[in-house]
Amino acid sequence: NAGVTQTPKFQVLKTGQSMTLQCAQDMNHNSMYWYRQDPGMGLRLIYYSASEGTTDKGEVPNGYNVSRLNKREFSLRLESAAPSQTSVYFCASSRDNQPQHFGDGTRLSIL
Amino acid sequence: AQSVTQLDSQVPVFEEAPVELRCNYSSSVSVYLFWYVQYPNQGLQLLLKYLSGSTLVKGINGFEAEFNKSQTSFHLRKPSVHISDTAEYFCAVSVFSGYSTLTFGKGTMLLVSP
Repeated sequence: NAGVTQTPKFQVLKTGQSMTLQCAQDMNHNSMYWYRQDPGMGLRLIYYSASEGTTDKGEVPNGYNVSRLNKREFSLRLESAAPSQTSVYFCASSRDNQPQHFGDGTRLSIL
Repeated sequence: AQSVTQLDSQVPVFEEAPVELRCNYSSSVSVYLFWYVQYPNQGLQLLLKYLSGSTLVKGINGFEAEFNKSQTSFHLRKPSVHISDTAEYFCAVSVFSGYSTLTFGKGTMLLVSP
């Protein structure tokens, strides 16, 4: 009964380093999403994948890339991390017009 | 494009008192509406949703919300709060197009004290 699993849970990077955040869901959902959460800003959509094989930009895509590896997995990559990317990152998944299910988040600090 | 406004960033309330968390949205098309709750250091959990039908929606943990199309509002209410309701609450809106990208409000922190 895992739902949406994100790894790692915590990470500290130095400016300029690269990193991939992993997300996997076991609910057979078609759509997957990446959000970032910053204090006082709510959650903002970075990228989403409406179905396997497709990805689209959300509200704040700059500095990120994504890969929909298969139906279960959707990864988020920071090629050259910047302090402005310090945030909590959430992955979510959904099926059709049903509500999104969220993972527990990855807390990322960039020094 | 859609937008969501949560009018209060923090709402302090005493235990067993009623509470209302306000949410207004704007959209040029019909929307689906959601309330999510986030406990400290956790992900978001769905409280309730409005997709269609009755405008009064009941959710988990005794919460309910009423969709008011004319006022473009979806306020969240609970008649008697508990300490354990202390959390951040997010209102969100989506437009169905085969998938559902959510637009979130900035959140309301509910602080319940004894």
